[in-house]
Amino acid sequence: KQEVTQIPAALSVPEGENLVLNCSFTDSAIYNLQWFRQDPGKGLTSLLLIQSSQREQTSGRLNASLDKSSGRSTLYIAASQPGDSATYLCAPGGNTDKLIFGTGTRLQVFP
Amino acid sequence: GAVVSQHPSRVICKSGTSVKIECRSLDFQATTMFWYRQFPKQSLMLMATSNEGSKATYEQGVEKDKFLINHASLTLSTLTVTSAHPEDSSFYICSALGLYTDTQYFGPGTRLTVL
Repeated sequence: KQEVTQIPAALSVPEGENLVLNCSFTDSAIYNLQWFRQDPGKGLTSLLLIQSSQREQTSGRLNASLDKSSGRSTLYIAASQPGDSATYLCAPGGNTDKLIFGTGTRLQVFP
Repeated sequence: GAVVSQHPSRVICKSGTSVKIECRSLDFQATTMFWYRQFPKQSLMLMATSNEGSKATYEQGVEKDKFLINHASLTLSTLTVTSAHPEDSSFYICSALGLYTDTQYFGPGTRLTVL
C-alpha cells in the first residue's frame, strides 16, 4: 500500500526566500507524480506533473524533481511571494490512475 | 485549461436525509472520475473511482450502499450520500481524468454539513 509523507508539515517564511518542499513515497512503482496547491476551503490546482521517466519539470518559479528509485520528489519554489501561501500536496500515481495524496505542507509566506 | 465544476458548493442538511453532489467536466470528456473526501486539516482520501457506463470501484472501508456513485455520461458523475449523519460532514472533491491525459483536474469541492 502506497504511503506518502511530506516534510515539513508547515512552513512560515518571509517573502523572497527560496523554498524546498519534500515528498517521500513507499512504493516506487509509480507512473507519475503530481504536485498540487490547495487554498483554504478550495479544490486543488495542479502545478506540475512528472512522468516516471522524467527527472524534473519546471513551470515559472516552480521546479519539481523526481527520484523514483529512492521514492522521493522535491518541489522548489523560487523567490517566494505571499500569494504562494497555501497547502502543497504531492500525489504519486500508479497504473490505475489513482492518486494517493501526501499529508501536505502548509506554507505561509509573509511580507 | 480543463474545468471541472461541482454543485452544490455547500450544503447543510438534517441527519437522515440524502444529499446528491454533481461533478461535471465542462470542456472535456472524462471516462474516469474520482471522488475524494477531506476532513479538516487532513489530506484527501480517495473514496471511489467512477467509470462511465460501469459500476464504481470503492476503496477499502468505503460503504458503497451509503455513497452511491453514478457516472451516466462522459461529463457527469454524481455522488449521493444516503441517510447522512453528522460523521459524514466533510469536504467532498471530485476529479476528472481526460481521455488522453495523465492529469486529473479537480473540482472546487462541496462542503457537506450534517446537523
